[in-house]
Formats: sequence, C-alpha cells, structure tokens
Amino acid sequence: GEQVEQRPPHLSVREGDSAVITCTYTDPNSYYFFWYKQEPGASLQLLMKVFSSTEINEGQGFTVLLNKKDKRLSLNLTAAHPGDSAAYFCAVSPTGNYKYVFGAGTRLKVIA
Amino acid sequence: DTTVKQNPRYKLARVGKPVNLICSQTMNHDTMYWYQKKPNQAPKLLLFYYDKILNREADTFEKFQSSRPNNSFCSLYIGSAGLEYSAMYLCASSPGWEQYFGPGTRLTVL
Repeated sequence: GEQVEQRPPHLSVREGDSAVITCTYTDPNSYYFFWYKQEPGASLQLLMKVFSSTEINEGQGFTVLLNKKDKRLSLNLTAAHPGDSAAYFCAVSPTGNYKYVFGAGTRLKVIA
Repeated sequence: DTTVKQNPRYKLARVGKPVNLICSQTMNHDTMYWYQKKPNQAPKLLLFYYDKILNREADTFEKFQSSRPNNSFCSLYIGSAGLEYSAMYLCASSPGWEQYFGPGTRLTVL
C-alpha cells in the first residue's frame, strides 16, 4: 500500500525566512494530496488540497508543489512568521478510496 | 461551519476497562473516520463509516468497535483498554475527499 515519508521532522527558522517541508509517496496512482496544520491543543486544519492534475497551488503565504515524476509533494512557506509555528502534516489519498495515508509530521518553529 | 466535536477531550481509563469515545458533526457528511495518533507518529486510520457501512483496518480489526446510530454521531469503543491504547484519538468527517478533524480525545490508560 501507499507509504508516505515526511521530512524534516523538526524545523526551526527565523521570522521572514522560508521554510520547506517535503513528502514523498510511493503509489504513482495517488491522485489527491492534502496539507494540514495543527496548532498546539487544536485540531488539524486543512490548509490546501491538491489534485494531481495541477502542480502548483498558492495559498496565503505558502505554495504547494506537486512533482508527479518524483512522487514528491512540498509545502513552501515563503516568509514565515511566528503564527506559522505549528505541526504540519501531509496526507495522500490513493485513487479510488477515501482513505488518507499521513506523513509523520513536521514541527515548525518560527523564531521572532 | 465545518465543526467536528469530540467528547470527552480527556479520558483516564484503567487497564482492562472499556472506553467509549464520542464524535459528532452537523454537516451531514457521509463519511466519518477514527484515527489514533501517538507522539511523533502519523495519524493511523482505525476505521471509517461510509453512511451506515463500517470499514475497519485489517491490523486493528479486533481491537476497536464503532457504531453510528445516525448521520451525526459516531462512537469508538475499546472493550478492554491496554497500556498501548494511550494516545490521541482523532475523529474526522468528510463530504468527499477532504476530511475535517475534531480536536481529539486524549486517552491515558493506567
């Protein structure tokens, strides 16, 4: 079945710097991809959903890139601020089912 | 409103005793999920309901039960808690592909 590896497990950056989190997956048929943010004590919040038909998606202060050839999904926070400090999880959903396979998460700390 | 609620937020249980966790959503989502999450690990899918049909993962099939008496509610039942069940339990609901998560129930088994 699908396996997802997320790197790095911990990331510390200064305010204003960029932060990049990467997930690699194994199933070439996976079609739906998601990034979630979890602040301390809070639930997982959906940041962005990406379908394999699109490769670049932009949100508020971040960009998601999907490289289907390398089976890699990345989240790039362009100018991190302390409010971005949280755990981030990628999730991959193979075609044909409604189940997610999650990465183990990245704990991001943005230092003011 | 995409709120998923979970009760209780914290649960203390004794080894060998049953545990019942509750999840609710008012978004009329067809699918509801239960995950187990341990520190520094990925959320692990335990089971999910699509409408009234329960799907349990093969490696946790005998450890967890669930019921969904109506579209809004879903429970997770552990018949006899062991120390290894100590974890955060996350409930999610979905209208399709994206899942919306509740705040979780932190279960501690002593």
